[in-house]
Amino acid sequence: EAGVAQSPRYKIIEKRQSVAFWCNPISGHATLYWYQQILGQGPKLLIQFQNNGVVDDSQLPKDRFSAERLKGVDSTLKIQPAKLEDSAVYLCASSLNRGPEAFFGQGTRLTVV
Amino acid sequence: AQSVTQLDSQVPVFEEAPVELRCNYSSSVSVYLFWYVQYPNQGLQLLLKYLSGSTLVKGINGFEAEFNKSQTSFHLRKPSVHISDTAEYFCAVSAGGTSYGKLTFGQGTILTVHP
Repeated sequence: EAGVAQSPRYKIIEKRQSVAFWCNPISGHATLYWYQQILGQGPKLLIQFQNNGVVDDSQLPKDRFSAERLKGVDSTLKIQPAKLEDSAVYLCASSLNRGPEAFFGQGTRLTVV
Repeated sequence: AQSVTQLDSQVPVFEEAPVELRCNYSSSVSVYLFWYVQYPNQGLQLLLKYLSGSTLVKGINGFEAEFNKSQTSFHLRKPSVHISDTAEYFCAVSAGGTSYGKLTFGQGTILTVHP
């Protein structure tokens, strides 16, 4: 069974530029999560989707971050404009119908210079 | 709301020695508890989980953890570590109800196994 796929693996951008990350969850997983992991910290939930609807985006900085999950499968997370403090690993995870076990992708490491 | 505290940021240990990584949590509701491992430049891999039932949970790679409700702890143990266990370990909690499936992570513990 294929795991959670994320791209790109690494991205370096200048501050004030925009960037987008892509995630393809495990087939059949209705729930998709985006987490932000800043160096030296545990992952923090940014947004949770159930199919193509948002369940929780209370931790998403909506002035600069946006996310969508069209057709309830793939998802994209966008940052515009990026700030230096957005440098982090962005992890995508999926689970079966909010099931307690989440499966993680390898992440995208973003460096904002 | 839930919170997780991992009591040690770094744990050095020699190969074949036992190890314990400590985790305490707080929550006003029943929780599900997890330990994840993260190797350099990799995502998170589930080691083990407590959902209900027996408080002693066995996971992959010889790890086990014990859920202690009275002490709100979920410590991770391995009787004999290998060099390949060197990684960062995260304790996480998920509550039921509307929070079901969302994880709150601790700060992580870096386990370094020396030969």
